[in-house]
Amino acid sequence: ETGVTQTPRHLVMGMTNKKSLKCEQHLGHNAMYWYKQSAKKPLELMFVYNFKEQTENNSVPSRFSPECPNSSHLFLHLHTLQPEDSALYLCASSQPDRKERGYTFGSGTRLTVV
Amino acid sequence: AQSVTQPDIHITVSEGASLELRCNYSYGATPYLFWYVQSPGQGLQLLLKYFSGDTLVQGIKGFEAEFKRSQSSFNLRKPSVHWSDAAEYFCAVGANNAGNMLTFGGGTRLMVKP
Repeated sequence: ETGVTQTPRHLVMGMTNKKSLKCEQHLGHNAMYWYKQSAKKPLELMFVYNFKEQTENNSVPSRFSPECPNSSHLFLHLHTLQPEDSALYLCASSQPDRKERGYTFGSGTRLTVV
Repeated sequence: AQSVTQPDIHITVSEGASLELRCNYSYGATPYLFWYVQSPGQGLQLLLKYFSGDTLVQGIKGFEAEFKRSQSSFNLRKPSVHWSDAAEYFCAVGANNAGNMLTFGGGTRLMVKP
């Protein structure tokens, strides 16, 4: 257990479904991140939230919609996804004023779009 | 902008042999440097980090890394590899003027032969 919890661990969804990924941390961190990790591709930063405000949207398609209701929780709402969106989605958190500590990652949600 | 290069996509070593994974970064000032390890289907776990002081840093699982400013490198080493070390390894760099963002390398997949 890293301190960052992601649920569900696995998700299979059809292209017309709507689902949400959840990330939770109680490390006292004020920055949270969504990454996409596809097979044989580098880690792709999707979204960054600092103190609940979105500070980075890395040209992510609108079928991915993030939500950060508080500094401890981060969601990724999914709708009308495509098969190429199948990937491991990783959440991470950090303390912005302690950059030398790096990020703490969750175990990820393995998403399969059918 | 900072960048991180991991020149080796795949490395195979025999169990018990020594290991060195290369990481080169591009950044003008002293960076924060990290190595993370990812087992299949899991999130990234911090192995070690450098932000100041002694340029040889020790991490978990018997790993160490050396910061060489003149070579812009932060190579990861282990004197004797165990089969359980088979995983993907990511180098990452952060900087004081880059907010709290980390830039990740493309990763090196390590395979261990019995």
